Order: sequence, then C-alpha cells, then structure tokens
Amino acid sequence: GAGVSQSPSNKVTEKGKDVELRCDPISGHTALYWYRQRLGQGLEFLIYFQGNSAPDKSGLPSDRFSAERTGESVSTLTIQRTQQEDSAVYLCASSLRGSRPTDTQYFGPGTRLTVL
Amino acid sequence: QQPVQSPQAVILREGEDAVINCSSSKALYSVHWYRQKHGEAPVFLMILLKGGEQKGHDKISASFNEKKQQSSLYLTASQLSYSGTYFCGTANSGGSNYKLTFGKGTLLTVNP
Repeated sequence: GAGVSQSPSNKVTEKGKDVELRCDPISGHTALYWYRQRLGQGLEFLIYFQGNSAPDKSGLPSDRFSAERTGESVSTLTIQRTQQEDSAVYLCASSLRGSRPTDTQYFGPGTRLTVL
Repeated sequence: QQPVQSPQAVILREGEDAVINCSSSKALYSVHWYRQKHGEAPVFLMILLKGGEQKGHDKISASFNEKKQQSSLYLTASQLSYSGTYFCGTANSGGSNYKLTFGKGTLLTVNP
C-alpha cells in the first residue's frame, strides 16, 4: 500500500507488561513522528526521527517510553511496564522531510492500546 | 502551548456553513488543518504559513490572522462527508517546523 501502516491495530495488555507498536512509513519519507491521542484529546507529540539525525525525544512522557527507527524505514515504539494511563491511540505519521514548514504529515490508522 | 479550538462541537444541516477557529497564545509560524473521522487516521486538509494568503480547496478554505495569532477554517455549503473532528496543529515562530502542537479538536456533525 502507499500509505502509512501500523500494527497491531488493537492491543490489549495487562498493567506491568511491555508492548511494542510498529509503524511502516510511506516509502521515501525521511521524517517519522509518533503521537499519542487520548480519548477526546488532541494529538500529543512524542518523538520525531529525521534521516540519520538524532531523534527529538522531547515529547516522551517518561523513561518507560522509547522508540527506534531503522534507517529511513520501520519504527518501533516500546512502552515498558505499561500503566492504565498509557491507554490511548498511538498514531504514527511520516513526511517527505520534516524540516520545512510546508511538509505535510501523513498519518497511519493508529494502534489502540488498552491497559487493563 | 496547546492551541485553543472553538467551538468544541457544532451541528449543521447539509448545505449550511461553519467556521472553526484555532487560537494560540504564542506567535504562530504555521497552522496545519486535519479532519479525522471516527476510528480513522487524521487526513490532511491544508497548511497555512505566516504571511501567507487564504487557502482553500473545494468548499473548504482557511485564513491566517497574524495579529490575532489565529487561524480560521471555513466550511461552506457543508456536505455529509464533512462530518468528523477537525484538528489544528500549530508550529510557533522560533520553534521547530516539525513539532506541531494540536488543539483538542472540533466535532462537526452534518445532518441531512
């Protein structure tokens, strides 16, 4: 497909377990973003990757959250020792570059995470 | 700082017009508008830049008021397909172009 894909689409886990969320950006897009969307809220920036530059991790809410990206392809967001407050939809987006103000971010369908 | 969107929700009949506002307490550099239908990914509508003119496509347009630090989204002759939650994402002057801060959204419902 041509769009951003994410897996799994839904994840239910128990409090304290670790989860991994995956994002496949649009081919050729060098910039990749992760956002969190809590029920009824806007999108909350988590982390930004651009090419081989050091990622901007300033939005990660705690050290339980981490993300990796292999080159300019797949990214994985890992949440360790999940808490109920982590329940949300996690959205991934990609853009051609990311550094220009006109760069459009294209979003994936998201992963709905429920922590019991 | 999170931009403030107003109204929080609006209900229209098909063919009616609506305006959604996005205000920031900081100087804006760019405003990105998205529409999200329930359970789906946000879909890009348009970007407005500081100093730019009003933009639009089809019957959806937007403006950027630098003095008021505000952007407005105009939906004219609304269609059923316009229903969804509209988000504005803002980048502030002097900040990073990529780090958008999104408002809480405006839920638009268009009824037949």
